[in-house]
Amino acid sequence: ETGVTQSPTHLIKTRGQQVTLRCSSQSGHNTVSWYQQALGQGPQFIFQYYREEENGRGNFPPRFSGLQFPNYSSELNVNALELDDSALYLCASSLHPGELFFGEGSRLTVL
Amino acid sequence: GIQVEQSPPDLILQEGANSTLRCNFSDSVNNLQWFHQNPWGQLINLFYIPSGTKQNGRLSATTVATERYSLLYISSSQTTDSGVYFCAVDRREGGKLIFGQGTELSVKP
Repeated sequence: ETGVTQSPTHLIKTRGQQVTLRCSSQSGHNTVSWYQQALGQGPQFIFQYYREEENGRGNFPPRFSGLQFPNYSSELNVNALELDDSALYLCASSLHPGELFFGEGSRLTVL
Repeated sequence: GIQVEQSPPDLILQEGANSTLRCNFSDSVNNLQWFHQNPWGQLINLFYIPSGTKQNGRLSATTVATERYSLLYISSSQTTDSGVYFCAVDRREGGKLIFGQGTELSVKP
């Protein structure tokens, strides 16, 4: 148990739809990072939020966006879904700087 | 950007055997973590080890930062050790981990 919870655990969407994934960070952690893991690959960094501000972004288009709330929980939003967005989405929390702890992930399938 | 290479990509062991997994990285780092990903996708923290040596039960890890590599040792392997092992690094210790491609370990009874 890492204390990081994600929802939903599984979901199916169709191309063009929008999706919101949620993450509750470990108590006391002020930083949330999101990663995308395609099948057979290592996780890829999407972006990070530190004290409600975006604090770095990987090589993902603007249709991937996020929020961090005052309680440090976070959302990942993806607009105009594409088939290649099918992946496991992982949220990690940390006390900046420091060790990252991951949630169990949200598995998204785009049809 | 920084490159992370893990070897071997796949490893099959008999229960009770020992193994060494390697992680090479192309630049200096301030954070290095080893994870075990279980079949359900959860990344389980094994070690936070930007330098030095740590041990936790049957597992131990060593990072030689000056030579840009880390090793994960698994002794007396068990079937529950099966899964994918990832090494991940961050140059600035800011949480923007760069992952290797992983080593898929299968331990046979």
